[in-house]
Amino acid sequence: LAKTTQPISMDSYEGQEVNITCSHNNIATNDYITWYQQFPSQGPRFIIQGYKTKVTNEVASLFIPADRKSSTLSLPRVSLSDTAVYYCLVGDSQAGTALIFGKGTTLSVSS
Amino acid sequence: DAGVIQSPRHEVTEMGQEVTLRCKPISGHDYLFWYRQTMMRGLELLIYFNNNVPIDDSGMPEDRFSAKMPNASFSTLKIQPSEPRDSAVYFCASSHPGPSSGNTIYFGEGSWLTVV
Repeated sequence: LAKTTQPISMDSYEGQEVNITCSHNNIATNDYITWYQQFPSQGPRFIIQGYKTKVTNEVASLFIPADRKSSTLSLPRVSLSDTAVYYCLVGDSQAGTALIFGKGTTLSVSS
Repeated sequence: DAGVIQSPRHEVTEMGQEVTLRCKPISGHDYLFWYRQTMMRGLELLIYFNNNVPIDDSGMPEDRFSAKMPNASFSTLKIQPSEPRDSAVYFCASSHPGPSSGNTIYFGEGSWLTVV
């Protein structure tokens, strides 16, 4: 499984755009990039997934360069409720292999 | 859909006692995962099943831990005997990998275990 590296923590203010970058230099051809969000006292929750270029949903955008060795999760206009831990995971969606979570990035949003 | 259901939500037990955590995956999901989360070690994968068969249990810390999945709608994680260092949040999760669902894993709310 491809190893991922992301910042341990980030700070932001309400209304700002937050970009969290994840490195995955050993990503394989069949691997997808998936981001999860975890609030205190809850299990992780799926945010977004992509394979290449850009993916956008109602929560976030995911930017993936052509070489796919990194990806950036973009949260537009964050609010206090976006304070959480964000995990970047890489894996083959059809291989049935389990996803391994790293330490994640703790995002703190202040007013 | 009710989501992944775990029980108990909270348990406090004495060292040496047997602990059994239960999980009901989302109907139709053929993968089931048990994770453990602590401040020190983060979110660790303990074991996962495919179609009720254990695929990888290399994350199970020691022989005191065991997991079963007797049918597609039920799994247990047992710790016997329990020790204070087993105190953690235990998450059960399920998924149905495929072109449309990708790597989406659905987590339960967790079982908060405290061993004193």
